[in-house]
Amino acid sequence: DSGVTQTPKHLITATGQRVTLRCSPRSGDLSVYWYQQSLDQGLQFLIQYYNGEERAKGNILERFSAQQFPDLHSELNLSSLELGDSALYFCASSVESGSLDTQYFGPGTRLTVL
Amino acid sequence: TQLLEQSPQFLSIQEGENLTVYCNSSSVFSSLQWYRQEPGEGPVLLVTVVTGGEVKKLKRLTFQFGDARKDSSLHITAAQPGDTGLYLCAGRYNFNKFYFGSGTKLNVKP
Repeated sequence: DSGVTQTPKHLITATGQRVTLRCSPRSGDLSVYWYQQSLDQGLQFLIQYYNGEERAKGNILERFSAQQFPDLHSELNLSSLELGDSALYFCASSVESGSLDTQYFGPGTRLTVL
Repeated sequence: TQLLEQSPQFLSIQEGENLTVYCNSSSVFSSLQWYRQEPGEGPVLLVTVVTGGEVKKLKRLTFQFGDARKDSSLHITAAQPGDTGLYLCAGRYNFNKFYFGSGTKLNVKP
């Protein structure tokens, strides 16, 4: 158990819908990272927040957005869902944001878009 | 095109054999990490290497960072069934961007 929690564990929805994935970082961690893992694309870095502010952006689509709240939990919002958005979405957290920082991954949310 | 290329993609070996997994890029990374992921779970960090030429050992696992910080290798000695899993390398690039390799799926048969 990494100490990072993600809800829900599974999510099944239809194309065109909007969903929100939630992540609670480990106690004391200020950074939250979001990743998408699909069979054909591997693990893709989406976005990082540090202490409530966006720190880095990866391959995040405009239909996706995220935020980190004052209590440091984070939400990833996915809208106008397409079949290709079906994937595992992981959240990771770390204490700070440096090169040597260890990221601890949550168990993931499996999103299925029908 | 992946920024980090991992090879081989799949590896099936017998218990007791040695193996090496490679992670290559044309870009220089400020640090490189190796993770192991089991089905249905998130990746778990094995090691972080930062300095070119650095070698780190974790029991039967040996990690090496290339001198130019563009490539890395993971060597497992006397593999055991418990080593089965997906091995991922991840490079930290441009200060805060992370790129993961496509992974090497290892199966160690008893």
